Amino acid sequence: AQSVTQLDSQVPVFEEAPVELRCNYSSSVSVYLFWYVQYPNQGLQLLLKYLSGSTLVKGINGFEAEFNKSQTSFHLRKPSVHISDTAEYFCAVSSGGGADGLTFGKGTHLIIQP
Amino acid sequence: DAGVIQSPRHEVTEMGQEVTLRCKPISGHNSLFWYRQTMMRGLELLIYFNNNVPIDDSGMPEDRFSAKMPNASFSTLKIQPSEPRDSAVYFCASSYRGQETQYFGPGTRLLVL
Repeated sequence: AQSVTQLDSQVPVFEEAPVELRCNYSSSVSVYLFWYVQYPNQGLQLLLKYLSGSTLVKGINGFEAEFNKSQTSFHLRKPSVHISDTAEYFCAVSSGGGADGLTFGKGTHLIIQP
Repeated sequence: DAGVIQSPRHEVTEMGQEVTLRCKPISGHNSLFWYRQTMMRGLELLIYFNNNVPIDDSGMPEDRFSAKMPNASFSTLKIQPSEPRDSAVYFCASSYRGQETQYFGPGTRLLVL
């Protein structure tokens, strides 16, 4: 069985400040890791994914994440946030990539303050 | 590419009525997923198909829920009879087996009164 824990349900941050959204996972097998973003009243959009190889993964909109196997973490970071980054962010895990279902964390609401 | 298409976008119905949600995956994709999003439980996988065959339906809450994929370009999720606790946003997603990215539709917001 797999599980994902997003430690913060809400993260307020000032515009142009850096941000880190935390994600820890639990799995008995090798996993693929994902971060999705959901803007209000919309579906989910993939930000980035870790499959194998380099543990530092770069995604869209200036986001990046680092896979840490020993700490079973996949934290999302951005060096400077913008008002438009206000959204819900979901960490997800899969054991089979795109062919298997995703297990999601509860989400982190990123609130950008001007 | 039109992306994953879901219909209706919003549905309001009364308890006991049958509800049918529809999904058209991205052309060429051969895996299709149904998820449900609620405030209490977050995003949950309900069922998924590979090449139109249901692979894992362990997330389907109970017998009132059923899903079909009669062909590669269409899937339905049916709730009969519906209950107020079924109120949620239902997402459909598709992917190409062998690639890792699931593409999500805009969702159907269901309210059961």
